[in-house]
Amino acid sequence: KAGVTQTPRYLIKTRGQQVTLSCSPISGHRSVSWYQQTPGQGLQFLFEYFSETQRNKGNFPGRFSGRQFSNSRSEMNVSTLELGDSALYLCASTNIRTAGLGTDTQYFGPGTRLTVL
Amino acid sequence: AQKVTQAQTEISVVEKEDVTLDCVYETRDTTYYLFWYKQPPSGELVFLIRRNSFDEQNEISGRYSWNFQKSTSSFNFTITASQVVDSAVYFCALSGSGDYKLSFGAGTTVTVRA
Repeated sequence: KAGVTQTPRYLIKTRGQQVTLSCSPISGHRSVSWYQQTPGQGLQFLFEYFSETQRNKGNFPGRFSGRQFSNSRSEMNVSTLELGDSALYLCASTNIRTAGLGTDTQYFGPGTRLTVL
Repeated sequence: AQKVTQAQTEISVVEKEDVTLDCVYETRDTTYYLFWYKQPPSGELVFLIRRNSFDEQNEISGRYSWNFQKSTSSFNFTITASQVVDSAVYFCALSGSGDYKLSFGAGTTVTVRA
């Protein structure tokens, strides 16, 4: 079974631009979570989607948004990029077998490394 | 709020030595889940082990073992007979019941020298 895939793997943008990152979960997994990893703040939770609905959101400004499609693929968008948004963005998928309970294991993709100049 | 502390920033060992990684957590949830992930230089987080709060049995899986002690809120992880391929950053993580938000520790960088 193929793992979590993320595209693109590397991205360079300039301040003020916007960016969209894509994540395809493991086949059959319906929950997708996003995390930001920076040297200063470590790994931080962004949001989680299940059945096209955002169920949980981390403490990030509104410039960070996401969505999930009916095939469980997810995208996250960052508008008006700032230098501090430079990070590794990781996507994880979960096969939710016990809805509302949990938690099942999250499996991560290779990440998208975003550099903001 | 949930918090995970990995006090060890870096550990360096010679191949075949055992490596123990410490993890201390804080949570108000009565049911919670603990994980260890490995991040090699490629960047992908690789799932290693998971433990439910209601199961304190400690286990061994190959060269990996873990020691979960609810009384001290610790979830330590040991690599036995380390190998160069074990060199990576190791993260301890915590989530609550029905909550797919992982709270990660700062990570411990393990370097295994040949």
